[in-house]
Amino acid sequence: AQTVTQSQPEMSVQEAETVTLSCTYDTSESDYYLFWYKQPPSRQMILVIRQEAYKQQNATENRFSVNFQKAAKSFSLKISDSQLGDAAMYFCSITGTASKLTFGTGTRLQVTL
Amino acid sequence: KAGVTQTPRYLIKTRGQQVTLSCSPISGHRSVSWYQQTPGQGLQFLFEYFSETQRNKGNFPGRFSGRQFSNSRSEMNVSTLELGDSALYLCASSGGGRQETQYFGPGTRLLVL
Repeated sequence: AQTVTQSQPEMSVQEAETVTLSCTYDTSESDYYLFWYKQPPSRQMILVIRQEAYKQQNATENRFSVNFQKAAKSFSLKISDSQLGDAAMYFCSITGTASKLTFGTGTRLQVTL
Repeated sequence: KAGVTQTPRYLIKTRGQQVTLSCSPISGHRSVSWYQQTPGQGLQFLFEYFSETQRNKGNFPGRFSGRQFSNSRSEMNVSTLELGDSALYLCASSGGGRQETQYFGPGTRLLVL
């Protein structure tokens, strides 16, 4: 079984600042992938970034980057130069050999002026 | 490419009725997964279909069923609706390879009265 824990129910960041969202996971599988999805008020889940567990290099996608610490089973998301459009629920998730995603409980990110 | 589409977007039913939700994947995608999102339980995996066969199944009662057609479109059916079935039902598609990124549709909001 796989589990994902997001310990920050809510976070707030000022526009143009940087914020880091935390995520820890547990899995018995050696081959797995990690994802961050964003869910804005429209409720559509949007892929933010993906990390293959076998890669040591942290994934980066424009203003979004991850800090993947495999030994600690930690997968945090850093958002740089935060924008108003970044306000959303952010879900950390994991998938193993079975094609199903296990999600955390989410972190609500507020972006203030 | 067009994204994942789901119909209907909103649905109101009464207890005891049944409902069918539809999902059309991204063109070329062969895997369709279904998720239920509720405030209490969060995001939970229902099942995954690949090449018209159920490949994975979550821990939901038999009232929840699905199928996939030869064009990869998928339907999900819930029989004998209960109040607790009120949720956002999300469909996601991927190419079909294990651990491929899943892309989500806008969801169907089901309200059971």
